[in-house]
Amino acid sequence: AQSVTQLDSQVPVFEEAPVELRCNYSSSVSVYLFWYVQYPNQGLQLLLKYLSGSTLVKGINGFEAEFNKSQTSFHLRKPSVHISDTAEYFCAVQGAGSYQLTFGKGTKLSVIP
Amino acid sequence: DGGITQSPKYLFRKEGQNVTLSCEQNLNHDAMYWYRQDPGQGLRLIYYSQIVNDFQKGDIAEGYSVSREKKESFPLTVTSAQKNPTAFYLCASSLEIWAGRNTEAFFGQGTRLTVV
Repeated sequence: AQSVTQLDSQVPVFEEAPVELRCNYSSSVSVYLFWYVQYPNQGLQLLLKYLSGSTLVKGINGFEAEFNKSQTSFHLRKPSVHISDTAEYFCAVQGAGSYQLTFGKGTKLSVIP
Repeated sequence: DGGITQSPKYLFRKEGQNVTLSCEQNLNHDAMYWYRQDPGQGLRLIYYSQIVNDFQKGDIAEGYSVSREKKESFPLTVTSAQKNPTAFYLCASSLEIWAGRNTEAFFGQGTRLTVV
């Protein structure tokens, strides 16, 4: 079984400032990691994913994340946020051979003008 | 355009009634999923289906039922046995269900169910 912890439920940040959304996971097997974004009353959209290979993963909208196996983390970063980045962000993990994604509880990012 | 369509977007139900949420995909995906989302709780898996005529319970299946008669369709019925059905419901699909291959899940726009 696997689990995901998103360490911050809400993150306010000023426009054009950098942001990091933290995600830690636990699993007894190798994992695949994902970040999704959700805008109000909408479905989830994939930002980026780590399956294997380079630990630095680049996604859409200027986001990137780094897989750190020793710290069991997959933090999401953006060097300069925009108002349009205001949304809820979900980290998810899938264990190798598993059938489902396990989601964190989400982090609400609020970008302040 | 390929994608997942959920309908209706908003649904109101009286206590004691069953309601069915629709989910259709034209991505030719084998695997389909239903998730429930509550504020501050993330997404929890209700049911999933790997292929037509097969489905399995997820973490919170009690009070829900599904069918998978066609590859494109995976409707969810919220029965009167579900004690707290008010939530946002998300349908998803992926090419295959097993990790290690193309595991990206695509999501519909959701259905917000409110019990009145």
